Amino acid sequence: DIQLTQSPSFLSASVGDRVTITCRASQGITNYLAWYQQKPGEAPNLLIYTASTLQNGVPSRFTGSGSGTEFTLTISSLQPEDFATYYCQQLKSYPYTFGPGTKLDI
Amino acid sequence: EVQLVQSGAEVKKPGESVKISCKGTGYSFPTFWIGWVRQMPGRGLEWMGVIYPRNSDARYSPSFQGQVTFSVDQSISTSYLQWSTLKSSDTAIYYCARLGYDILTGYPRGFDLWGRGTLVTVSS
Repeated sequence: DIQLTQSPSFLSASVGDRVTITCRASQGITNYLAWYQQKPGEAPNLLIYTASTLQNGVPSRFTGSGSGTEFTLTISSLQPEDFATYYCQQLKSYPYTFGPGTKLDI
Repeated sequence: EVQLVQSGAEVKKPGESVKISCKGTGYSFPTFWIGWVRQMPGRGLEWMGVIYPRNSDARYSPSFQGQVTFSVDQSISTSYLQWSTLKSSDTAIYYCARLGYDILTGYPRGFDLWGRGTLVTVSS
């Protein structure tokens, strides 16, 4: 199985900050990576697919980059609604594992 | 409306069986893989597997193989997740989600539509 790690696990930031979350894969996954946002009590929401393509309706302050084994999710200017937990997921091979998550706190 | 509607919460005892459902509406249900994702209390997301409604082809995570069963009833656009023998460690929220894909290449994009989750509580 392909393992994913995320760093940091927890991140404290303020409204207006620029933040970056990193996801690393245990082996190369080209660009088969997705990012999700999950708020408490809600289902996850797809933000980015194929590493850098913004899902319809997702604000442009979210950007994804990377390929191979290292990927990043950047939020350019944090808004109050962005405080949530973020997960990466690889879709290169079954099982389509998720990363452990990064909790973004105020 | 394009959505996945999941069945309601279940409270069961260890050793009992349960089957939860996920109904897709507003899109071509047979042509998208449906996935199941577990979230234990206060924990992260775990990929359980996927099933293709058109032919019931299923792929399980090794962690869940033999522990759960996916099924589909195409006639009512519904996918199911079932357990024959529940354990207390099965207590979790279970999400179903639609696996989006690139129309040209067929490559998966990620889960682009989610149900609201079904809470399964297993306690004596």
